[in-house]
Amino acid sequence: NAGVTQTPKFQVLKTGQSMTLQCAQDMNHEYMSWYRQDPGMGLRLIHYSVGAGITDQGEVPNGYNVSRSTTEDFPLRLLSAAPSQTSVYFCASSYGAGELFFGEGSRLTVL
Amino acid sequence: GQQLNQSPQSMFIQEGEDVSMNCTSSSIFNTWLWYKQDPGEGPVLLIALYKAGELTSNGRLTAQFGITRKDSFLNISASIPSDVGIYFCAGRPYTASKLTFGTGTRLQVTL
Repeated sequence: NAGVTQTPKFQVLKTGQSMTLQCAQDMNHEYMSWYRQDPGMGLRLIHYSVGAGITDQGEVPNGYNVSRSTTEDFPLRLLSAAPSQTSVYFCASSYGAGELFFGEGSRLTVL
Repeated sequence: GQQLNQSPQSMFIQEGEDVSMNCTSSSIFNTWLWYKQDPGEGPVLLIALYKAGELTSNGRLTAQFGITRKDSFLNISASIPSDVGIYFCAGRPYTASKLTFGTGTRLQVTL
């Protein structure tokens, strides 16, 4: 049972580059979300989705795009990476907005 | 945005000691969750609480949903070295579907 799978686990980008963090879950969860984790800041919600075709902004959405074409996948796109986006990114899913199951994280460094 | 204060920020304890940490919110929550994050991993759910006054245990861990609905507590009894990590509270208010996370309590256990 894979749960929530994130790729890549590590990534280094130059300022201005674009990339996509992939997230897939095999639990048929309707709700999926992306968080970033920075020292002393806890987990902050970037974007979330309550089902295929539906996405909404979280607490810190600027600089990120998402789409939800299938129940299983919820990619996070950085269109023009900035050093301020250096962080650890977590994808999480649940049946509702309650008990979230997290992936192992993607560690991004923007130079 | 939603305010959720978690304390203490860090704890250094000796093996065998009991641990207490808490979270308080600026508004009423209808769900409280407690997660643990090991280094380099994603958060893992420890305990979920859904009713005011609810007291739930998971092995040596016990969590309570405060009567005021604005706070929650996590206790760890007889700590062991593998308890080391960051503990996060998370809550969902009646007025929103998204979870808000505390900033975490970093626990260190010395032998």
